Amino acid sequence: DGGITQSPKYLFRKEGQNVTLSCEQNLNHDAMYWYRQDPGQGLRLIYYSQIVNDFQKGDIAEGYSVSREKKESFPLTVTSAQKNPTAFYLCASSTDRGSRPQHFGDGTRLSIL
Amino acid sequence: GENVEQHPSTLSVQEGDSAVIKCTYSDSASNYFPWYKQELGKGPQLIIDIRSNVGEKKDQRIAVTLNKTAKHFSLHITETQPEDSAVYFCAASPRSNYKLTFGKGTLLTVNP
Repeated sequence: DGGITQSPKYLFRKEGQNVTLSCEQNLNHDAMYWYRQDPGQGLRLIYYSQIVNDFQKGDIAEGYSVSREKKESFPLTVTSAQKNPTAFYLCASSTDRGSRPQHFGDGTRLSIL
Repeated sequence: GENVEQHPSTLSVQEGDSAVIKCTYSDSASNYFPWYKQELGKGPQLIIDIRSNVGEKKDQRIAVTLNKTAKHFSLHITETQPEDSAVYFCAASPRSNYKLTFGKGTLLTVNP
């Protein structure tokens, strides 16, 4: 079955450490997105990529970085500059450029040690 | 920018009853309004969407209505079942880009 795979499901970060969240899709979708979800809040857009080797900042990009070297992969790095990284991170994809997120992965929960 | 308000934040119904969740948006340029269902520990699942040229859309027990003049849209679930229990999110997106602005969610509990 096609879908989005996020790993790991749970991740712990030490102070001052960078961590990378994986997102892989086998849907052959052009566009991919990263969202952050905090308790009792809606999803907020971190970064999005409409095509390989191109990505744009979302509403809360500070302290995060991404790459899009392959169509199926869109990893998110949470850097030490992100002072409040504890959250549920969701990766999403959509069929083509200009379309909105259609499929979501099951998320990675990041916590600070 | 766009602002989406969602009400109620929690909703409890008896199995078989109907459930209604309402959202308002601020940007008149928004033209796409999806609804997502999120089960515990899972990612959101797109369950229905509506575009601004349509007033109502149905899919089995689920329907969405849109009032462009009042800038609000609603999700209606009929004949609720325990498996409908989840958090539901509304969202809005303008024609000019593909950014979604989400509401804060409604926790729906369907009691057997």
